[in-house]
Amino acid sequence: GAVVSQHPSWVICKSGTSVKIECRSLDFQATTMFWYRQFPKQSLMLMATSNEGSKATYEQGVEKDKFLINHASLTLSTLTVTSAHPEDSSFYICSALGTSGTSGTGELFFGEGSRLTVL
Amino acid sequence: GDSVTQMEGPVTLSEEAFLTINCTYTATGYPSLFWYVQYPGEGLQLLLKATKADDKGSNKGFEATYRKETTSFHLEKGSVQVSDSAVYFCALMGGSYIPTFGRGTSLIVHP
Repeated sequence: GAVVSQHPSWVICKSGTSVKIECRSLDFQATTMFWYRQFPKQSLMLMATSNEGSKATYEQGVEKDKFLINHASLTLSTLTVTSAHPEDSSFYICSALGTSGTSGTGELFFGEGSRLTVL
Repeated sequence: GDSVTQMEGPVTLSEEAFLTINCTYTATGYPSLFWYVQYPGEGLQLLLKATKADDKGSNKGFEATYRKETTSFHLEKGSVQVSDSAVYFCALMGGSYIPTFGRGTSLIVHP
């Protein structure tokens, strides 16, 4: 099946630094990718929808200048947490919309997640 | 807008017990419905899906039937194992291709 790889799987950084997380679709082209943040009580919060070659669409309340999303190719989207602070510590998950399936279904493939800890 | 409501967890069961995790949804049109599973420290994996009314998705002994009349997609398994301990997410995807997830239900299975 389709594979989405996320890197790094965990990262620890100092407050004020920037961290980049990569999301790659390994065996298919993903025109649309999603970035989620997962809070301790398990809920997934959609941060933004990333479409290849265009600006990401951010959900309400998500700071676009803080969470920079770039989707420069059909197989790679990146999330950069700029000037990270301890409250940004979280589990970030990407997913890619596959091209298989009939119209209206879609297949959503998830990365392994990235655990960010800001000291 | 679209929404998914899952039963609150955690659900705690003994091995070989019957499992039901309720999921209801609100959506316009005819969305596709999904169950995802997340094992500790990992990302989400597709468990099963159904794309139209009365479809039954099944995988690894889990089943869920797309019930349009009750707008439900309850997850069931006849005999759970310790290895089924995970968080389960119900989700839908409509014509916008932006998925909507429930809050997740934690399942804990004791030996």
